[in-house]
Amino acid sequence: NAGVTQTPKFQVLKTGQSMTLQCAQDMNHNSMYWYRQDPGMGLRLIYYSASEGTTDKGEVPNGYNVSRLNKREFSLRLESAAPSQTSVYFCASSEGITTQYFGPGTRLLVL
Amino acid sequence: AQSVAQPEDQVNVAEGNPLTVKCTYSVSGNPYLFWYVQYPNRGLQFLLKYITGDNLVKGSYGFEAEFNKSQTSFHLKKPSALVSDSALYFCAVRDGAGGTSYGKLTFGQGTILTVHP
Repeated sequence: NAGVTQTPKFQVLKTGQSMTLQCAQDMNHNSMYWYRQDPGMGLRLIYYSASEGTTDKGEVPNGYNVSRLNKREFSLRLESAAPSQTSVYFCASSEGITTQYFGPGTRLLVL
Repeated sequence: AQSVAQPEDQVNVAEGNPLTVKCTYSVSGNPYLFWYVQYPNRGLQFLLKYITGDNLVKGSYGFEAEFNKSQTSFHLKKPSALVSDSALYFCAVRDGAGGTSYGKLTFGQGTILTVHP
């Protein structure tokens, strides 16, 4: 039981490049989330998926898109990376409104 | 709108002393409250939660938190701190009213806890 896994662990991009962050969970949770963590700002919700087939914007969705591929997987895409998207990205999952469980994170540096 | 405040950026305590990490919140309905801990270069780990019931909640690693509705607070406590408790602690809240905020947590900015030997 791996919990929530994320790939890659670390990525460097140039401004304008695109990439997809992958997230998978093996806890059979319905809900999944993408957050970004910046110093002094806690975690901010980018997008979430309450259940398979649905996605909704969070607090800071601009510049991102998501895909809920199936119940296990929820990917985050940066179409044209900007330096302001340099951050640590966390994926999480939960069964409804209960405890969210987090992955180990992806460190992204945009030059 | 829901919000969380952690008024202290840093808390320093000596090993063996009690520790408190403060959290206050604002929601329109009944709050669901959570504490998470983050060690360097790691993801967030769940410590404890308050949904309903007893105001004193016990969690992992000897931590506990007290829900105080009148003061809208949910402070994290531990009777005797360990050096290994040094980490970044986050308080989070969800409005129990639900609706379009389904499952969405709002996090505080985090408090760095340092326990000195």
